[in-house]
Amino acid sequence: GNSVTQMEGPVTLSEEAFLTINCTYTATGYPSLFWYVQYPGEGLQLLLKATKADDKGSNKGFEATYRKETTSFHLEKGSVQVSDSAVYFCALSVATNAGKSTFGDGTTLTVKP
Amino acid sequence: DVKVTQSSRYLVKRTGEKVFLECVQDMDHENMFWYRQDPGLGLRLIYFSYDVKMKEKGDIPEGYSVSREKKERFSLILESASTNQTSMYLCASSYGLAGLGEQYFGPGTRLTVT
Repeated sequence: GNSVTQMEGPVTLSEEAFLTINCTYTATGYPSLFWYVQYPGEGLQLLLKATKADDKGSNKGFEATYRKETTSFHLEKGSVQVSDSAVYFCALSVATNAGKSTFGDGTTLTVKP
Repeated sequence: DVKVTQSSRYLVKRTGEKVFLECVQDMDHENMFWYRQDPGLGLRLIYFSYDVKMKEKGDIPEGYSVSREKKERFSLILESASTNQTSMYLCASSYGLAGLGEQYFGPGTRLTVT
């Protein structure tokens, strides 16, 4: 079956620190990979995506590269801001799974000034 | 921009009441989903619909039912609310076979059952 394992939180960083949130996956077939962000009191929003090996998704200073050889999709940002405090979810979708996605458990990030 | 709206942000109901949570999307998506989100348990899929009048059970369907009479609207029904259904409920939608699988979420409904 499909599964997503992401780094346990919570993660606490100071403003301008470098961020990495690890995500690894197992999937049957060729998955598309996603990072979603959930700000306090809100639903999830798509942050970035990658649809094939070696693709790099990027948005708002965040990046993640689809690594097929290590089955990973780690989220990185060079300099975090207080406004990046949120819960981050790694997810995958496989075309053969009828449109459903598999989500990781989420990693809570707190950025302190 | 895709918009997914949910009928209420906050809802308080009594045990035994019938509860309706409504979700509407404006992007002509084929797929719609209902999740619940609880601390430490991540997102859990309750029900999924891939077309009008079509539905499929997710991981935790017990105590819930759904209705999809129109493509844009997906309703979650708690036939007899119980305190263990107190949770954040998230609706999402996505394209069908033509899509890559990314989902678009509503803002969530925080339901409290007393």
